[in-house]
Amino acid sequence: DGGITQSPKYLFRKEGQNVTLSCEQNLNHDAMYWYRQDPGQGLRLIYYSQIVNDFQKGDIAEGYSVSREKKESFPLTVTSAQKNPTAFYLCASWQGPGGELFFGEGSRLTVL
Amino acid sequence: SQQGEEDPQALSIQEGENATMNCSYKTSINNLQWYRQNSGRGLVHLILIRSNEREKHSGRLRVTLDTSKKSSSLLITASRAADTASYFCATVGGGGNKLTFGTGTQLKVEL
Repeated sequence: DGGITQSPKYLFRKEGQNVTLSCEQNLNHDAMYWYRQDPGQGLRLIYYSQIVNDFQKGDIAEGYSVSREKKESFPLTVTSAQKNPTAFYLCASWQGPGGELFFGEGSRLTVL
Repeated sequence: SQQGEEDPQALSIQEGENATMNCSYKTSINNLQWYRQNSGRGLVHLILIRSNEREKHSGRLRVTLDTSKKSSSLLITASRAADTASYFCATVGGGGNKLTFGTGTQLKVEL
């Protein structure tokens, strides 16, 4: 079935470590997005990519990095520079203007 | 920055009642979308309304859009316990390349 796959679902990290969250889609969508969600809060945009080998910062990009080497993949690295990384991370792909976002099931990162 | 603000933040109703939640936004939009999120899960698209539409229906869902007031409402009729979730509005701005989400309404439908 077509969809978005995020892994891992749960991740624990020690302070000072980088961690990479995986996001893969087989929907043939050009655009992909990473959002952060804190408890009881809405979604905040971290990074997005409209096409392979190109990406733009969202509203809260500091402490994060991404790559888009393949259309299907948009991994997010949470670096040690991110001061408060404990959160629920959601990846999505977009059909395009006039279309809907398709979300993965999320990755919950906890910094110990 | 978050474009939309949902109201109320939380809503608790009895099964069979209607649930109404509102979304206000700040800038011009191409369309507005509503999403649902079950606890600890990803979001699922519910309905999209374009800026030139005023009302749209899908099953038990009814969405209205008032661009002059920069607001939208989502009505869920004859609610069920399974409707318990958080509901978010999202707007697509003039640039047309990203969706900005509101803060969400947590709906609880009790038996």
